[in-house]
Amino acid sequence: GAGVSQSPSNKVTEKGKDVELRCDPISGHTALYWYRQSLGQGLEFLIYFQGNSAPDKSGLPSDRFSAERTGGSVSTLTIQRTQQEDSAVYLCASSFVGNSNQPQHFGDGTRLSIL
Amino acid sequence: EDKVVQSPLSLVVHEGDTVTLNCSYEVTNFRSLLWYKQEKKAPTFLFMLTSSGIEKKSGRLSSILDKKELFSILNITATQTGDSAIYLCAVRGLNAGNNRKLIWGLGTSLAVNP
Repeated sequence: GAGVSQSPSNKVTEKGKDVELRCDPISGHTALYWYRQSLGQGLEFLIYFQGNSAPDKSGLPSDRFSAERTGGSVSTLTIQRTQQEDSAVYLCASSFVGNSNQPQHFGDGTRLSIL
Repeated sequence: EDKVVQSPLSLVVHEGDTVTLNCSYEVTNFRSLLWYKQEKKAPTFLFMLTSSGIEKKSGRLSSILDKKELFSILNITATQTGDSAIYLCAVRGLNAGNNRKLIWGLGTSLAVNP
């Protein structure tokens, strides 16, 4: 597609529920990144995919967080048993080649609110 | 520990003013520094800088890198209300794990009043 597409744009759910966030990167981009942005905080790196594999998952905050990518394209970020501190904007970015000097291009994010 | 510090954290100016945003860094094995503009949603890419002293320019925006003093500045001349946004700086280094991760600053929130 023309840009990085994320869905849903907004998600409100009750504490304890599982949520799944989706990212569709720019066509041809092999690298995909997930970030979290909380109010007043900088961008927090979560995980990086090169193709379907994740060489760096060091930013996932707990084992409730997982992500996968299939077909070298769409990725899903899953948060199990959500907690209120998970409320944030989850941003996805893609680039031509990971871990290189290629700029990352971002989607509009999913605003997640845990009640 | 690698870090990127942006200043000021917030800034309010009037239309027509010129602003200078700062980004200083301490990052292992520096590779590049990137500037992004974030309005309501997605950060949009502005510039990537890899070499000292070479100015990158796009319209009223320009940026330059000083690799000796470890900082970059982003200048916006003749500001307009549409320049109101958070400006993010990120630096790519090469850490011990051979991982060229981007390290992000907290951003500068710029408000341009008419």
